[in-house]
Amino acid sequence: GQNIDQPTEMTATEGAIVQINCTYQTSGFNGLFWYQQHAGEAPTFLSYNVLDGLEEKGRFSSFLSRSKGYSYLLLKELQMKDSASYLCAVRDQEGGYQKVTFGTGTKLQVIP
Amino acid sequence: KAGVTQTPRYLIKTRGQQVTLSCSPISGHRSVSWYQQTPGQGLQFLFEYFSETQRNKGNFPGRFSGRQFSNSRSEMNVSTLELGDSALYLCASSLGDRYYEQYFGPGTRLTVT
Repeated sequence: GQNIDQPTEMTATEGAIVQINCTYQTSGFNGLFWYQQHAGEAPTFLSYNVLDGLEEKGRFSSFLSRSKGYSYLLLKELQMKDSASYLCAVRDQEGGYQKVTFGTGTKLQVIP
Repeated sequence: KAGVTQTPRYLIKTRGQQVTLSCSPISGHRSVSWYQQTPGQGLQFLFEYFSETQRNKGNFPGRFSGRQFSNSRSEMNVSTLELGDSALYLCASSLGDRYYEQYFGPGTRLTVT
């Protein structure tokens, strides 16, 4: 099984930088994803990490440390539209199957 | 190109009934995954279909089943509905070779009374 932890809520100021952490415990690790989900909408893929290190994509970056079971999503130059839930998800192999487990999400509120 | 579509968008059923939900993936995508989302449990993986075969599955009871057709469209069926099955059901499609980049549909909101 898996255990994924991320903060429930965070607040940050427009223009600032925010880091959303995710820790996980799993065997057969095979990748970590970050998704953005606005209220009432479907999740949108942001990033995927399978090797240690930082992946940068515009204002969004994601970091992974497999040995520590740790990842973070970094959002720079925050905009009001970044107010959303951010979901960390881990793919692993269990019993011959691969499955993806999602954390419960971090609700980010960006304030002026 | 068109995104992932799901039908119906909203559904109300009573306990004990069964329901079938449909998902049409993005053209060219061969993998379809199904998820259940509830406020208390978050997003939970149900199963994934690739080339008409169930490739991966989560930890849901056998009342939840699915299938995929040759055109990659997928259906999910829930039999003997329970109140706890009330949720948003999301499907996500991907090319299948790089499983990770999934595109979600808008979801079907199922209410069981």
